[in-house]
Amino acid sequence: GQNIDQPTEMTATEGAIVQINCTYQTSGFNGLFWYQQHAGEAPTFLSYNVLDGLEEKGRFSSFLSRSKGYSYLLLKELQMKDSASYLCAALDSNYQLIWGAGTKLIIKP
Amino acid sequence: DTAVSQTPKYLVTQMGNDKSIKCEQNLGHDTMYWYKQDSKKFLKIMFSYNNKELIINETVPNRFSPKSPDKAHLNLHINSLELGDSAVYFCASSRTGDPNTGELFFGEGSRLTVL
Repeated sequence: GQNIDQPTEMTATEGAIVQINCTYQTSGFNGLFWYQQHAGEAPTFLSYNVLDGLEEKGRFSSFLSRSKGYSYLLLKELQMKDSASYLCAALDSNYQLIWGAGTKLIIKP
Repeated sequence: DTAVSQTPKYLVTQMGNDKSIKCEQNLGHDTMYWYKQDSKKFLKIMFSYNNKELIINETVPNRFSPKSPDKAHLNLHINSLELGDSAVYFCASSRTGDPNTGELFFGEGSRLTVL
């Protein structure tokens, strides 16, 4: 079956760095997405990786290892507004998104 | 300028009723979706539709029916509502073509509560 695993909840301190991991098992693979979802709001796109390696975008970076079925989202210089759920999703061979349950990130002062 | 808009944002209704949620996108996208996000926060695809084909997730009860009058609109009609239908329903759209990154643009969600 198809499956996405990511931690349920993480806590970090304002100004610090946090890494949210995601492992995936899908029928075929056409890329890995990270979305941010604040409580009561819609998910918003953060990143897309299809090739191995690190993609940096400001304070956020996303890494992919296709051979390991693994990705992580790295958040630097954490701000209180980064408190949200972070959803990992893999695009399968039919271009259907398979979603994880999300990682709730709590930022403390 | 709202890219993907859905109405109503909140809906409270009794079991057994029929209700609809409307969705419109002004991004010129060819593909639209309905997702259900339950209390455990999993986003589950219900339907995807482009101007050629409606793709139905067979795990969705046939009480749920999508209706697309044109490629900018995809409405969701639900018959005989049940308690388990309580969830947030998200409409989304994406560009199709090559390359298809699959990036989704979501509406703000419609929170359905069935009493």
